[in-house]
Amino acid sequence: DTGVSQNPRHKITKRGQNVTFRCDPISEHNRLYWYRQTLGQGPEFLTYFQNEAQLEKSRLLSDRFSAERPKGSFSTLEIQRTEQGDSAMYLCASSLWPRRRGYGYTFGSGTRLTVV
Amino acid sequence: ILNVEQSPQSLHVQEGDSTNFTCSFPSSNFYALHWYRWETAKSPEALFVMTLNGDEKKKGRISATLNTKEGYSYLYIKGSQPEDSATYLCASHRGGAQKLVFGQGTRLTINP
Repeated sequence: DTGVSQNPRHKITKRGQNVTFRCDPISEHNRLYWYRQTLGQGPEFLTYFQNEAQLEKSRLLSDRFSAERPKGSFSTLEIQRTEQGDSAMYLCASSLWPRRRGYGYTFGSGTRLTVV
Repeated sequence: ILNVEQSPQSLHVQEGDSTNFTCSFPSSNFYALHWYRWETAKSPEALFVMTLNGDEKKKGRISATLNTKEGYSYLYIKGSQPEDSATYLCASHRGGAQKLVFGQGTRLTINP
C-alpha cells in the first residue's frame, strides 16, 4: 500500500465550471475524511465516510459540494459552479475505526484548486 | 477555549537552536490531541497522538507534552535542523466527535 493518493495534484478552473477530485485511501481503512485548507488557516473539516456511508457533513459543505464513496473504497469530491472562494487545498485522510486511541490519520498530499 | 489555537503563527529559528510552540484546545470532553508536521508539497505526517494528562512523547529531537486539565500542549524541537522547516499542526479530538479540529498551524523556518 502506497498510502493515501489524491488526484489531481493541481487544478486550475474557470469560475462557474465543475470540478471533481479523487481520493484513494489506505485499503484497509474504513474511514475517509475530506478537509479544506485556505491560506493562513488550519484544515477545516468538510465531511467523512465510514465505509460507503456519509456520516457527517460540515455546514461549510454548501449544496454545490457533493462527496461520494460508492464502494467504500475511493472517494470523489465534486464542486459545481465553482467560485473564487473555493480556491483552497483539499485534503483527504483515512483511518481505521475502531482502533486504539493512539493512532493518527494518514493524509494524502492534497489537491490544490485555483478558481480564476 | 472552544477553538484550537496555536502560537506563534510563524517562527524563524537559527540552525542549532532549540525552539518550542504552543497548542491550546478545549479541555472539556478530551479524547486525544494530535500533532502533525506538514512539509511543502508533501502530506501532513502524524508526529504524536497524546491521550493521557501529563503525557510526554519523544521522537528523535522532537518531543511534546500534554496538560488536559488546562487544555494545552507544547511541542519542543532540540537542535533545529533545516529539515525541520515545516508547518506544525495540532488537532483536538473530543469525546463523542468523529473528526479532528485543527489549529491554524505554526510555520517554522530554520535559517542555516
